[in-house]
Amino acid sequence: DVQLVESGGDLVKPGGSLRLSCAASGFSFRSYTMNWVRQAPGKGLEWVASISSVSTYIYYADSVKGRFTISRDNAKDSLYLQMNRLRVEDTAFYYCARDPYGVGNNWFDSWGQGTLVTVSS
Amino acid sequence: DVQLTQSPSSLSASIGDRVTITCRASQSINRYLHWYQQKPGKAPKLLMTDTSNLQSGVPSRFSGGGSGTHFTLTITSLQPEDFATYYCQQSYTTLRTFGQGTKVEIK
Repeated sequence: DVQLVESGGDLVKPGGSLRLSCAASGFSFRSYTMNWVRQAPGKGLEWVASISSVSTYIYYADSVKGRFTISRDNAKDSLYLQMNRLRVEDTAFYYCARDPYGVGNNWFDSWGQGTLVTVSS
Repeated sequence: DVQLTQSPSSLSASIGDRVTITCRASQSINRYLHWYQQKPGKAPKLLMTDTSNLQSGVPSRFSGGGSGTHFTLTITSLQPEDFATYYCQQSYTTLRTFGQGTKVEIK
C-alpha cells in the first residue's frame, strides 16, 4: 500500500525557518511527481509546490514563491519542503501528496496524514 | 490563476436525498476537474478525475459532469458516510487550484 508520512511540523516565530519531510513507501517513489498541499485550520486546501520525478520541473504557488523550496531524494524515497521567512498566514497542516504520473500536472491520488506548522510569536 | 468557485458553501440534507454541488471555473479548463472528499481530521480522498472518472472503490452513487467552466458532483442517494466536505480541483494550469469547499451536513 502507498504510504506517505510527513514530519517536521512545529511552532516557529514569524521570520523563522522550518524543514518538512515526507517519507514514502509502497510504490516506486522515483517514478512520480510529488507535491505539498496545505490547509489552514478550518479552511480549504491550497496547493503549495510540486516537483517532477527527477526534479526537472518545479513549480510554486505565488504565495510561497521565493520563500519555500521543494526538493526530493529519490535514493531515500523522501520529499522535502524548506520553508524560510515564515509568516503567520503560513500556519497550516501540510500534506505530502502524490501525482499519478512522473511529469505533468494532474490530480493528487495519495495523501499523507499531514504535519502542523504553526507560525506565531 | 484559475479561480474555482463552489456552490453552495454548505448544505443540509437527509439520508436518501439527491445532492448536487457545483464548481465554476474563472476560465475554460476543458475537463481537467477533479473531486475530493474530506472528513474531519483526515486527509482528502480522491473521488473523481477528469470530470467524470470515478476512482476505484468509490460508490456509483457519486457522479460528475460538465466541461469548460461549469462542473457538477452529484450524490444520488446520500448515505451516512457521505457527510463530509467536498473540494473541486483543476489541473488545466501548472498552478493548480482548489475550490473553497462544500460542507454537506445532516439535516
